[in-house]
Amino acid sequence: AQSVTQLDSQVPVFEEAPVELRCNYSSSVSVYLFWYVQYPNQGLQLLLKYLSGSTLVKGINGFEAEFNKSQTSFHLRKPSVHISDTAEYFCAVSEGASGTYKYIFGTGTRLKVLA
Amino acid sequence: KAGVTQTPRYLIKTRGQQVTLSCSPISGHRSVSWYQQTPGQGLQFLFEYFSETQRNKGNFPGRFSGRQFSNSRSEMNVSTLELGDSALYLCASSLVGLAGAPSKNIQYFGAGTRLSVL
Repeated sequence: AQSVTQLDSQVPVFEEAPVELRCNYSSSVSVYLFWYVQYPNQGLQLLLKYLSGSTLVKGINGFEAEFNKSQTSFHLRKPSVHISDTAEYFCAVSEGASGTYKYIFGTGTRLKVLA
Repeated sequence: KAGVTQTPRYLIKTRGQQVTLSCSPISGHRSVSWYQQTPGQGLQFLFEYFSETQRNKGNFPGRFSGRQFSNSRSEMNVSTLELGDSALYLCASSLVGLAGAPSKNIQYFGAGTRLSVL
């Protein structure tokens, strides 16, 4: 069975500082990996995805993530955060060859950007 | 192109009642999935529908059910509501290929329906 672990439930960071949100997954098969962001009272918005190919993927709003198969990680990074990045971030995994859209989500990381 | 539309946005029900939530997917998307989001359990997969058939199901009791119509719109129903059913219910739509397999593997989420059970 697949699982996703987001070790940090909350991450405070000052504006213009870099940030890394950690995500580790467990799966016995190949997976697809995603990061979504959720702003208050809104649904989830896709930040970036890894399906195959280059292990460094770039997303919207200046975010990027690196897929590390040996460490089963998919950490999200941004070199300089803004107040508007304050939100909850979810890492998700789906089974690559399953043929369906079942996602397993991590428990989320609340990013709080401080002025 | 319009996004995923969920109605209503907010609902208040009492224990024992039943509720129906609606989801209109993005035009051309034929797969619809439902998730429950709570502070304690996070985001949990409920079920996925494609071509009016449920093809994947999460670990929820039979009180949770759904259906999909020929125009890909979907509804989910929760019967005999319990306090623990209070949650944000999210719907996601996705493209599928000819054989129903995921295409591009991206789910697009609606804003959700917030259900409060009193």
